[in-house]
Amino acid sequence: GAGVSQSPRYKVAKRGQDVALRCDPISGHVSLFWYQQALGQGPEFLTYFQNEAQLDKSGLPSDRFFAERPEGSVSTLKIQRTQQEDSAVYLCASSLRRLMNTEAFFGQGTRLTVV
Amino acid sequence: AQSVTQLDSQVPVFEEAPVELRCNYSSSVSVYLFWYVQYPNQGLQLLLKYLSGSTLVKGINGFEAEFNKSQTSFHLRKPSVHISDTAEYFCAVIPNGETSGSRLTFGEGTQLTVNP
Repeated sequence: GAGVSQSPRYKVAKRGQDVALRCDPISGHVSLFWYQQALGQGPEFLTYFQNEAQLDKSGLPSDRFFAERPEGSVSTLKIQRTQQEDSAVYLCASSLRRLMNTEAFFGQGTRLTVV
Repeated sequence: AQSVTQLDSQVPVFEEAPVELRCNYSSSVSVYLFWYVQYPNQGLQLLLKYLSGSTLVKGINGFEAEFNKSQTSFHLRKPSVHISDTAEYFCAVIPNGETSGSRLTFGEGTQLTVNP
């Protein structure tokens, strides 16, 4: 596609519900990143994939958060047993090469609200 | 580890006035520096980046930034702003070098509001 696509754009989840957020990166992009942006804050790193390999997951806030990219293209961020503090915009970014010092393209994000 | 401080959370200006959005960073290693813009309900769009070379970097939409290593700053400037520049602006850094990791560290953002 022309850009990074994320779905759904908006998600309302009841506390304790599991959610899955999808990211379609730009075709051919090797690197894929997930960021969490709380209201009024800058994005914070969650995890990084190089192709299908998850090379860095140190930013995931708890073991309720899980990300995968099984075929090296589409990625899914899953949050189990959602809590109110998980409410945020989840941004996905991809870049052509292995390191993010090349331009990274961001999707529009998924706004998750946990009620 | 790296940290980024954006010194102003909100900057109101009038149309056609100059603007400077301030960014300071802290890092124990050399970094690359970026400015991103975020319009309401949109993702982040790259404005400009400093990787190496000239410390004055020109970006899209008439913005420019100057890297000052001694002051660890990367302030963003525009000589004359438009209403359409109203948005949230984020400064970010990443360690350079192959082994330094791949994550961007962002500041908390500066809301630029351009008034008529």
